[in-house]
Amino acid sequence: EAQVTQNPRYLITVTGKKLTVTCSQNMNHEYMSWYRQDPGLGLRQIYYSMNVEVTDKGDVPEGYKVSRKEKRNFPLILESPSPNQTSLYFCASSFPGGRGNEQFFGPGTRLTVL
Amino acid sequence: QKEVEQDPGPLSVPEGAIVSLNCTYSNSAFQYFMWYRQYSRKGPELLMYTYSSGNKEDGRFTAQVDKSSKYISLFIRDSQPSDSATYLCATGAQKLVFGQGTRLTINP
Repeated sequence: EAQVTQNPRYLITVTGKKLTVTCSQNMNHEYMSWYRQDPGLGLRQIYYSMNVEVTDKGDVPEGYKVSRKEKRNFPLILESPSPNQTSLYFCASSFPGGRGNEQFFGPGTRLTVL
Repeated sequence: QKEVEQDPGPLSVPEGAIVSLNCTYSNSAFQYFMWYRQYSRKGPELLMYTYSSGNKEDGRFTAQVDKSSKYISLFIRDSQPSDSATYLCATGAQKLVFGQGTRLTINP
């Protein structure tokens, strides 16, 4: 089944404790992206990657890191999480020329930073 | 000014009603326009997309783009309780910009 998977789905952590949210896709997509979704603010892009070893900042990159060592994986790293990073996070992937450059989203990771 | 503005609602209508969801955008260079649907506790899924101005119909759903006024619309005819979800408009190319999302509830 073609899909984007994220782990963990739910995470409660404390301020300053480094964490990684994994993202993997099995569709051989070149483009991958991380978003956060907050009430009233919609989906905002954190980082994106056009291909392996090619990453760039989105609209809200502060406090986050990413890497793209393999085409299928795009982990999101929070080196020192803070309460304002409490949010719902989505990973997405797409290939150029798809239906309106359709992005396929993972199921989401709900992160709470205390 | 946000690149894409969408009324967050919530919007609640009776079953069978015609629903109109709308967005405005600011960048006249945008060519692709999309509507994503997001059910509770799920990731968004592409519902419809259009390229440039015009209408596109898919069953009970019609997407409309007016580039002259930078206006994007989604119409749902004969709405069903299963249409209850958050609807997000989006535009851009590889990098998408999303509206805030409108939470829609269809009441049986």
